[in-house]
Amino acid sequence: GAVVSQHPSRVICKSGTSVKIECRSLDFQATTMFWYRQFPKQSLMLMATSNEGSKATYEQGVEKDKFLINHASLTLSTLTVTSAHPEDSSFYICSAGRGGADTGELFFGEGSRLTVL
Amino acid sequence: GENVEQHPSTLSVQEGDSAVIKCTYSDSASNYFPWYKQELGKGPQLIIDIRSNVGEKKDQRIAVTLNKTAKHFSLHITETQPEDSAVYFCAARRAGTALIFGKGTTLSVSS
Repeated sequence: GAVVSQHPSRVICKSGTSVKIECRSLDFQATTMFWYRQFPKQSLMLMATSNEGSKATYEQGVEKDKFLINHASLTLSTLTVTSAHPEDSSFYICSAGRGGADTGELFFGEGSRLTVL
Repeated sequence: GENVEQHPSTLSVQEGDSAVIKCTYSDSASNYFPWYKQELGKGPQLIIDIRSNVGEKKDQRIAVTLNKTAKHFSLHITETQPEDSAVYFCAARRAGTALIFGKGTTLSVSS
């Protein structure tokens, strides 16, 4: 199956700093990538849809200026949490679908656990 | 947009018993329905999926059924084993959109 890689898997940062998370499709081109956030014992909540070469579409309640998404190539999307605060501590997961015909399946990264002190 | 409801939130069974988790969805245009197993600290792992042109799909001890008219789908695990203990999520989407997840079911299989 298709592989999506996320980096870093874990990151700890101080309050007020920014953190960048990378999501790469290793063996396929992903026109669209999706970013999710998961708090402890909760479900995956869609944050934004990232389209290659255009601005991301954010879900209601997600601050676009705080969660910067860049999808500059067909294999890489990045999520930058700016001026992180403890309430941003969460598990961030990306997923991607193959370019071309949408067969339904999305492929998930391993997730990135962010802890803000 | 799509809304997915999942029940039950927790499920405890004895080893060897069957487990059933049910989900309903709201968007009649959704055509892809996967089930994921998530272990602590890891990303979701696809265990089985079904598309809207199929009513049932089976893979060894796992099966999924889909009722498009009622807009619900179910996961069936037979002969449960302790290693089946995890959180299970259902999800739904249509082409070009994101997967929308249910709230999850914590399955505990005791030996």
